[in-house]
Amino acid sequence: EPEVTQTPSHQVTQMGQEVILRCVPISNHLYFYWYRQILGQKVEFLVSFYNNEISEKSEIFDDQFSVERPDGSNFTLKIRSTKLEDSAMYFCASSLGQGYNEQFFGPGTRLTVL
Amino acid sequence: RKEVEQDPGPFNVPEGATVAFNCTYSNSASQSFFWYRQDCRKEPKLLMSVYSSGNEDGRFTAQLNRASQYISLLIRDSKLSDSATYLCVAPGGTYKYIFGTGTRLKVLA
Repeated sequence: EPEVTQTPSHQVTQMGQEVILRCVPISNHLYFYWYRQILGQKVEFLVSFYNNEISEKSEIFDDQFSVERPDGSNFTLKIRSTKLEDSAMYFCASSLGQGYNEQFFGPGTRLTVL
Repeated sequence: RKEVEQDPGPFNVPEGATVAFNCTYSNSASQSFFWYRQDCRKEPKLLMSVYSSGNEDGRFTAQLNRASQYISLLIRDSKLSDSATYLCVAPGGTYKYIFGTGTRLKVLA
C-alpha cells in the first residue's frame, strides 16, 4: 500500500539554525500539505501546495517558512531561523484531488529546537 | 463559534460499549468532513469520510447533520484497540483543512 514517508524522524537543532524537513508524498497524488502539532495541542494547518506553487497558507506560515518540490518526488519544508516555539511534530500529507479528497499523512518529523 | 469544535473527553467506556462523539463546525458551505484516528505521538490515520448524510464501515458510523452543523461518530462494540484520540476535520477553504482538538477515548477491560 502506498504511503507518505518523511525524514528525518527526529531533528534536534539550535535556535537560529535552518532546518529542512523532507517528505515523499504518494506518487500519484497532486496536492501536498504541511501541518504541525505542538505537544498536547491540535493539528494545525501550515500550507498547501499544488502545481508547484502554494495554494493556501495559514498565519503560522510566515516568512521564516518555505516549501519546495525540488524534483518529482520530494516535498520539503524549510524553516530559515528556528525559534524555540517551532518545536513540534511536523506532518506532511498528500491527497489525490483538491479540497474534498482524503489526505494521507506521513509519520511525522519531531523537531526539537534548543 | 470555533471553526471545528470537539469535546476533548476523555470518554472512558467498557469493552463492548457503544460510544458516540460529536463535532460542530462553523462553515456552513463545507461539503465534506473526515474522521481521523490518532494514537499517541503518531500521525493521524483516516478513519472515515463523510460526503453526504452519513457513512458506515463495520462498527463505525458517521453521520452529518447540515441543519445543525455537526457530524457524529458512533463506535459500536468498542475494543481495547479503539483507544485513541479521534479527530474531526472540516475544510477551511478549497485547499485547507481544519482539525478539531480531538476527543480522547479509553476503552477499559
